[in-house]
Amino acid sequence: DSGVTQTPKHLITATGQRVTLRCSPRSGDLSVYWYQQSLDQGLQFLIHYYNGEERAKGNILERFSAQQFPDLHSELNLSSLELGDSALYFCASSPRSSSGGPQETQYFGPGTRLLVL
Amino acid sequence: AQSVTQLGSHVSVSEGALVLLRCNYSSSVPPYLFWYVQYPNQGLQLLLKYTSAATLVKGINGFEAEFKKSETSFHLTKPSAHMSDAAEYFCAVISSGSARQLTFGSGTQLTVLP
Repeated sequence: DSGVTQTPKHLITATGQRVTLRCSPRSGDLSVYWYQQSLDQGLQFLIHYYNGEERAKGNILERFSAQQFPDLHSELNLSSLELGDSALYFCASSPRSSSGGPQETQYFGPGTRLLVL
Repeated sequence: AQSVTQLGSHVSVSEGALVLLRCNYSSSVPPYLFWYVQYPNQGLQLLLKYTSAATLVKGINGFEAEFKKSETSFHLTKPSAHMSDAAEYFCAVISSGSARQLTFGSGTQLTVLP
């Protein structure tokens, strides 16, 4: 158990709908990263938040958005869902480094499996 | 931009045999390199990491990896495979700059034969 929690574990929805995935980082970790794992694209970085602020964006679609709240949990919002959005969505967290920024080691949650029908 | 390439999407070994999973990296700056394992229907678990200290890195479950700058490689090995090692293995890289997101290889599915 990494200490990172994600809910829900499974989500089935229809095209055009909107869903919210939730992530709680390990106690004390300030960074949250979101990744998407799909059969055709593999594991891809979506977005990184550090202490409430967006730090980096990867291959995240405009239909997707995220935020990190004051209690450090994060939500990934996926809207106007398409069949191709079906994937496993992972959240990861990392500790604060001695220099003040995020440490390089990331600890992954169990993922949310999204199926769009 | 940094990247990793995993050679062999599927590797099969017999129980008790040597496990060798290959990873080559491309980075213009000194990289941080990682191996993660994913068991069926589970998340990613960190096996080991290289962060520019010792070039031979020991991880969990008897795995180790050696950083070879001259070969730009970070291959994962285990002397004796166990049935419980069957899983998918991912090599990943972070550059030592300010960006901290992981860039993953395409993964290697390890099958252990009895």
